[in-house]
Amino acid sequence: GQNIDQPTEMTATEGAIVQINCTYQTSGFNGLFWYQQHAGEAPTFLSYNVLDGLEEKGRFSSFLSRSKGYSYLLLKELQMKDSASYLCAVWFSGGYNKLIFGAGTRLAVHP
Amino acid sequence: EAGVTQFPSHSVIEKGQTVTLRCDPISGHDNLYWYRRVMGKEIKFLLHFVKESKQDESGMPNNRFLAERTGGTYSTLKVQPAELEDSGVYFCASSQFSSTDTQYFGPGTRLTVL
Repeated sequence: GQNIDQPTEMTATEGAIVQINCTYQTSGFNGLFWYQQHAGEAPTFLSYNVLDGLEEKGRFSSFLSRSKGYSYLLLKELQMKDSASYLCAVWFSGGYNKLIFGAGTRLAVHP
Repeated sequence: EAGVTQFPSHSVIEKGQTVTLRCDPISGHDNLYWYRRVMGKEIKFLLHFVKESKQDESGMPNNRFLAERTGGTYSTLKVQPAELEDSGVYFCASSQFSSTDTQYFGPGTRLTVL
């Protein structure tokens, strides 16, 4: 089966750094995505990791360890507009390719 | 370039009625996916089209749900008859290639069944 876990809620202060963790157990792994979703809007693509290590993209970085079934999304220099849900999704390759999502982490950034 | 669009944005219907949701993928994207998020739960895969063919429909809950993609462009998802538990947000996503390509999501259709 497939299981993806991430914290339900997190809070942080404007200008700070926050790390959102995601752990997964899946029988077929092809890569891991992070999406950002503001309330009532479409999930928007943030990052994709298929190999171990850190991928940096501006204020956002994503890390993957396939042996540990673990990823994190690092947000630096937090801004109020970063308040959103952050979705971890695994590409599952059992037969056909499809995305398996975690429940999402709701991040609240305070002044 | 236009993103993935979905219509309607909201739909409120009574139990037993029929509703049809529409998704227009990004132009040139052969792969189209439907997902659903019910209250408090994670986004769950429903099915995947490659052009007009159903590649994987393992996530479809039951035979009250029918998805079509005639001509390989836009897709419709019909729920007939709708039940209370069908309430949720239905997302559509598209990608150019199927294998690990980034999926771009639409804003979703919020369906409420009363």
